[in-house]
Amino acid sequence: QKEVEQDPGPLSVPEGAIVSLNCTYSNSAFQYFMWYRQYSRKGPELLMYTYSSGNKEDGRFTAQVDKSSKYISLFIRDSQPSDSATYLCAMSASSTGFQKLVFGTGTRLLVSP
Amino acid sequence: EAGVTQFPSHSVIEKGQTVTLRCDPISGHDNLYWYRRVMGKEIKFLLHFVKESKQDESGMPNNRFLAERTGGTYSTLKVQPAELEDSGVYFCASSQGGGGALNEQFFGPGTRLTVL
Repeated sequence: QKEVEQDPGPLSVPEGAIVSLNCTYSNSAFQYFMWYRQYSRKGPELLMYTYSSGNKEDGRFTAQVDKSSKYISLFIRDSQPSDSATYLCAMSASSTGFQKLVFGTGTRLLVSP
Repeated sequence: EAGVTQFPSHSVIEKGQTVTLRCDPISGHDNLYWYRRVMGKEIKFLLHFVKESKQDESGMPNNRFLAERTGGTYSTLKVQPAELEDSGVYFCASSQGGGGALNEQFFGPGTRLTVL
């Protein structure tokens, strides 16, 4: 069983839609939860991270972590065509921050004008 | 400021040959990581350097893979001899290090390795 499960998509939405991306995980030792965005032929870039449970908002993006359910989400409001990319969740069990990241497979998002 | 750079961007080799991938981290970053993504699978951790020392190499698949970071600057990942299952995209990431820092990892664009 994979430590982190993520639906690969693709997820197609019209411009302006609210997008919900999710991951589940099995390792209760994970403490840092991250969302990366990856454009084609580029490396992943960090969008947001959350430590332990709770919500975090940054502009159009909201990250949620529910450790009791081992479930994390990323919401994108007012989605734009420029949001079209692969979104990867990643997790770390280190207490000192981002170490040895464990990734989901990524969800490909397509936002059509 | 330059980001993490990787060379080559793409390498095509035959089974049994040797390939060396290079990563130049962001200047001043003590931590350097190698990850790999094989087709259809998730990005997986290979190993972690702190300066020139291997901190964690638990993700290295077998002894055909050798990573070095001489002088604590750039790193190389050598695959010898390459097998078909080694095909994938190899990512390098670096982070600053130091106590109290979150150590966000900045990723390079990856090297796409194709073994025929």
